[in-house]
Amino acid sequence: GEDVEQSLFLSVREGDSSVINCTYTDSSSTYLYWYKQEPGAGLQLLTYIFSNMDMKQDQRLTVLLNKKDKHLSLRIADTQTGDSAIYFCAETPNNAGNMLTFGGGTRLMVKP
Amino acid sequence: GAGVSQSPSNKVTEKGKDVELRCDPISGHTALYWYRQSLGQGLEFLIYFQGNSAPDKSGLPSDRFSAERTGGSVSTLTIQRTQQEDSAVYLCASSLGGQGNQPQHFGDGTRLSIL
Repeated sequence: GEDVEQSLFLSVREGDSSVINCTYTDSSSTYLYWYKQEPGAGLQLLTYIFSNMDMKQDQRLTVLLNKKDKHLSLRIADTQTGDSAIYFCAETPNNAGNMLTFGGGTRLMVKP
Repeated sequence: GAGVSQSPSNKVTEKGKDVELRCDPISGHTALYWYRQSLGQGLEFLIYFQGNSAPDKSGLPSDRFSAERTGGSVSTLTIQRTQQEDSAVYLCASSLGGQGNQPQHFGDGTRLSIL
């Protein structure tokens, strides 16, 4: 079955780069996503990548995909205290419906 | 423009009661999804709508759970005879057409507490 794994916790200093990692098992995954969740809020879409790409950059965010190793990462440059949140990776096989399978989330704490 | 709207934001009810949760998707989005977020199970898919039809209900945990969508817009998730294990945040998402390059946008969820 499908499985998406993330480390539970990451702590960085303000201004440093953060790298959040994710591994998945479903080789038919075609789209992979990163969502951010702040306390009491829903999931905010940050970015997504198609599986035939290996990198996508969007302002301070860089997504790297290693399809061979089924490894996805999200790099946040110049991390700010407002980036403190839980980050979820998710994948979909792009079948009809596109329902998402999520990892357990990585809690990012940014220290001033 | 308006995002996905869910109501109520919080619901506390007694075990055994029925509850209805509402989701108002982004205008023009034909695909609508319900997920559940709980401490023990993380984020789990419940049901997917394309228009008013539900091609995939595979995530509904029991026959106490049902959902409908009318007019290709608003959806309600109903839980009958609630149990304590139903306590969770219920999240709704919508997307333009349900394809992978049409990402899902989430509401803020309904936090359900069963006493």
